[in-house]
Amino acid sequence: GAVVSQHPSWVICKSGTSVKIECRSLDFQATTMFWYRQFPKQSLMLMATSNEGSKATYEQGVEKDKFLINHASLTLSTLTVTSAHPEDSSFYICSARAFMGGQPQHFGDGTRLSIL
Amino acid sequence: QQQVKQSPQSLIVQKGGISIINCAYENTAFDYFPWYQQFPGKGPALLIAIRPDVSEKKEGRFTISFNKSAKQFSLHIMDSQPGDSATYFCAASKGGGSNYKLTFGKGTLLTVNP
Repeated sequence: GAVVSQHPSWVICKSGTSVKIECRSLDFQATTMFWYRQFPKQSLMLMATSNEGSKATYEQGVEKDKFLINHASLTLSTLTVTSAHPEDSSFYICSARAFMGGQPQHFGDGTRLSIL
Repeated sequence: QQQVKQSPQSLIVQKGGISIINCAYENTAFDYFPWYQQFPGKGPALLIAIRPDVSEKKEGRFTISFNKSAKQFSLHIMDSQPGDSATYFCAASKGGGSNYKLTFGKGTLLTVNP
């Protein structure tokens, strides 16, 4: 149980394009979803927290116009990297938390984004 | 300000040995302490977690020891196996209005030699 699917797993695109990453909770309803960024050999850095039907809350220093987050349903959140540039290349990971209090975060397998 | 400090940064253990990773936190409002295991190219997977009302929790070969007064917790991997080679992250969170946001340690790269 508690499976989180992330798609795509790997994407390469040209500088200036926008890229959308999907995060789905497959077997539970996720009240809250989180988006992280991870650089090689580093820890996870929280980018934003999203609750279904609400605007995402971004961490300090994260550009909300650059990283658009939509949490349209209890099982789907999307992260769109707009006008991507090489410095946006990274490993993006989502996680989801079930509705009931005290439930842990379950992570997707991440998306490797490479901007040429 | 790093709220969860993890050590060591890397650890090499022989097969069958005990791997110990330590974490210390600063925020006394934290009330949930999970450990995650991450393999290269994959997302973190929840390994084991503890709440501050207990001092120890064991699941198979994995044990969390928790010292509330010292604000420290540790992961012990008994009978370490090569398949345990991965990066381990400790984390902490508080409930309620914080949405249970996790604060991660910097990670420990564990290598178990055969």
